[in-house]
Amino acid sequence: AQSVTQPDIHITVSEGASLELRCNYSYGATPYLFWYVQSPGQGLQLLLKYFSGDTLVQGIKGFEAEFKRSQSSFNLRKPSVHWSDAAEYFCAVGSGGSYIPTFGRGTSLIVHP
Amino acid sequence: KAGVTQTPRYLIKTRGQQVTLSCSPISGHRSVSWYQQTPGQGLQFLFEYFSETQRNKGNFPGRFSGRQFSNSRSEMNVSTLELGDSALYLCASSLEPTAKTDTQYFGPGTRLTVL
Repeated sequence: AQSVTQPDIHITVSEGASLELRCNYSYGATPYLFWYVQSPGQGLQLLLKYFSGDTLVQGIKGFEAEFKRSQSSFNLRKPSVHWSDAAEYFCAVGSGGSYIPTFGRGTSLIVHP
Repeated sequence: KAGVTQTPRYLIKTRGQQVTLSCSPISGHRSVSWYQQTPGQGLQFLFEYFSETQRNKGNFPGRFSGRQFSNSRSEMNVSTLELGDSALYLCASSLEPTAKTDTQYFGPGTRLTVL
């Protein structure tokens, strides 16, 4: 069965620094991949998704993610973090090759001023 | 454009009771998905309805059920509540989730506490 691993439970960065959140998936074929963000004020939001095609995906709020088949990874990046980016981030893989997400346990992002 | 609304926002029930949660999607959206979020199990997919038909179902017992009406509003029902059903239940709507350019929008959730 497909699964997602987010190796980092917490990540702390300084405001203005770059960010990379790691996500590794387990699935035999080309997966559907997602990143979500959850914050108290905004609730849960879909940041971006990869279905096929270009392996570099642009999302909302200045985030991007790159699908690397050879590494079974779909890491989320942002060049300059803002204090408002502090939140919980979830990576997900489509279940059984579908668009139905199986979620990772999340990475909590803390942003220092 | 109004967002996804969920009612009620908070609910307290006792074991053995049943509960019905409601979700109103964004106007024009035909897909409604439900998710459960708990500290122990994290985020899990419950089911998806599209044009009044259940299109996908997650790995939950039959006590969890749902339906969708002709106006795309959806309800989910949990019968014979257990303590472990305490969770945040999230609803999301989209036009067509299989489409590459589609975006899913989430409601604020219903916080269910089972005593």
